[in-house]
Amino acid sequence: DAKTTQPNSMESNEEEPVHLPCNHSTISGTDYIHWYRQLPSQGPEYVIHGLTSNVNNRMASLAIAEDRKSSTLILHRATLRDAAVYYCILNTGFQKLVFGTGTRLLVSP
Amino acid sequence: GAVVSQHPSRVICKSGTSVKIECRSLDFQATTMFWYRQFPKKSLMLMATSNEGSKATYEQGVEKDKFLINHASLTLSTLTVTSAHPEDSSFYICSARRTGGDQPQHFGDGTRLSIL
Repeated sequence: DAKTTQPNSMESNEEEPVHLPCNHSTISGTDYIHWYRQLPSQGPEYVIHGLTSNVNNRMASLAIAEDRKSSTLILHRATLRDAAVYYCILNTGFQKLVFGTGTRLLVSP
Repeated sequence: GAVVSQHPSRVICKSGTSVKIECRSLDFQATTMFWYRQFPKKSLMLMATSNEGSKATYEQGVEKDKFLINHASLTLSTLTVTSAHPEDSSFYICSARRTGGDQPQHFGDGTRLSIL
């Protein structure tokens, strides 16, 4: 699976939008872009995924660049419960996931 | 609610003990499950792919005789850490996904293993 690059950490204030970037310049045409997050002392949790078009769900939005070499996870209003490590993962076939180092999101009240 | 259940959530035992961790898919059948381990402040590392009715596929560097995986039914995979030593202390996490289409992975809440 192709490699992704994410900032080590980001900070946000509660109730503000958060944009978490991910670079994946070597993405292949069949790679889906997945986002998972991991709260402290828990297993990862699925957030969202997409292929080419932007995606929205109850948790977040995923904005995918036209050339697919980057994407942004958007949390519209951060809450304290959104403090977690966010992983951007490329995957073909929806089988095993290879986790990178992710972005640690800190949310301040 | 949770769709993948992992048990136990925490184990503390003496060096030399073998420890079994269970991973269950609660409302779906999973022909494939995955086992990860995670050290403090590190990312998840895939250990092996558990295949129902056949041998597990281990990632490079993972000792198959040390980490025994059994996937005897479509809803249960077990990971046994044999003769555990302090260096095996870690957070072990399993995952599974519903078959068909672009279904995401669902993860258990993890098992924190501490070997004294």
